[in-house]
Amino acid sequence: KAGVTQTPRYLIKTRGQQVTLSCSPISGHRSVSWYQQTPGQGLQFLFEYFSETQRNKGNFPGRFSGRQFSNSRSEMNVSTLELGDSALYLCASSVRVDGELFFGEGSRLTVL
Amino acid sequence: EDQVTQSPEALRLQEGESSSLNCSYTVSGLRGLFWYRQDPGKGPEFLFTLYSAGEEKEKERLKATLTKKESFLHITAPKPEDSATYLCAVQAGAGNMLTFGGGTRLMVKP
Repeated sequence: KAGVTQTPRYLIKTRGQQVTLSCSPISGHRSVSWYQQTPGQGLQFLFEYFSETQRNKGNFPGRFSGRQFSNSRSEMNVSTLELGDSALYLCASSVRVDGELFFGEGSRLTVL
Repeated sequence: EDQVTQSPEALRLQEGESSSLNCSYTVSGLRGLFWYRQDPGKGPEFLFTLYSAGEEKEKERLKATLTKKESFLHITAPKPEDSATYLCAVQAGAGNMLTFGGGTRLMVKP
């Protein structure tokens, strides 16, 4: 059974640019969550989607946004990139809204 | 505000030397406590979910326990391949949002 797939795995951007990250959940999983991981702040919750609806949002500025499609695939977007946005962005999927989360390998974003 | 604190931050063990990792939490309405293992450059790998005080779960050399204030991850006779960062997280309120602790970096030397 394929796991959570995230693309791209690595990317480099410059300040002011925007970036879109993609996540394909485990087949049959309808809940997708996004997390940011940095050495200083650890793992922090960004947002959660279920059946194309955002259910929860973490404490991040409006530059961070996301969406979920009818096939449960999800994307997140960060606009006007700042140096502090450099991080590992992790996507996780779950069968239901209160189940175990299974994480992908992440997308490592470097902002120069 | 939910808070999760893990200790120690780093732990060095000799192969075969058993020990425990601690996860203390403050949360309103705990729905689940999760343990994950994370290897460098990879996403967290799910290990256990505990739902109520007194619950225990085991997997190979790992055993997780839960009380009303903390959880322990016991590692029995660890091997070098157990070296990783172990993350604890709590789930409360609605939805799937997890609040993570800072992790314990475990190093097992042969």
